[in-house]
Amino acid sequence: DQQVKQNSPSLSVQEGRISILNCDYTNSMFDYFLWYKKYPAEGPTFLISISSIKDKNEDGRFTVFLNKSAKHLSLHIVPSQPGDSAVYFCAAYKAAGNKLTFGGGTRVLVKP
Amino acid sequence: SAVISQKPSRDICQRGTSLTIQCQVDSQVTMMFWYRQQPGQSLTLIATANQGSEATYESGFVIDKFPISRPNLTFSTLTVSNLSPEDSSIYLCSVGGYEQYFGPGTRLTVT
Repeated sequence: DQQVKQNSPSLSVQEGRISILNCDYTNSMFDYFLWYKKYPAEGPTFLISISSIKDKNEDGRFTVFLNKSAKHLSLHIVPSQPGDSAVYFCAAYKAAGNKLTFGGGTRVLVKP
Repeated sequence: SAVISQKPSRDICQRGTSLTIQCQVDSQVTMMFWYRQQPGQSLTLIATANQGSEATYESGFVIDKFPISRPNLTFSTLTVSNLSPEDSSIYLCSVGGYEQYFGPGTRLTVT
């Protein structure tokens, strides 16, 4: 039962352009949604989160949009930089149980 | 955010043996989490470790295979027992609430 899905395993984007990463979920009881970035040989690094009662949260170059009716969220990175090349994981949090559920990840390559 | 270290960073083990992974946090935390990331896969929660009580295991993970210790509020260990090649993964510990902070991971290869 895959509750959090990232349907695009990879994304290639030119430096300076926008990267859009997508994530779908099935459980409407999640309280928060988060994005993590992971470089090889490192643990995931928290990027940005959004409460289930919001529809947008922005932090610098990163913006997360939440569409509850579609059970869909997206991460926009603009402008994309070569240092953004990493694997990005979408995650959903349920306060009851204090549990994070991760999507499969999207590998982003930003070309100079 | 918390600073989390893990030991070892990587290991190669023979099948049938065990590996114990240590996780150290620079501040006292109530809950610590252990995850597994199999090759090319996402992160899967193994168990949640509270100090002074038994760990809570997720479906598909059992204490005999993945015993966990939590002797104090800054430290935990995960043992992967009776190793098989299928246990080759990255094992990560984390702390936090909805914003969890992860250690660097332990890459285990079983031959």
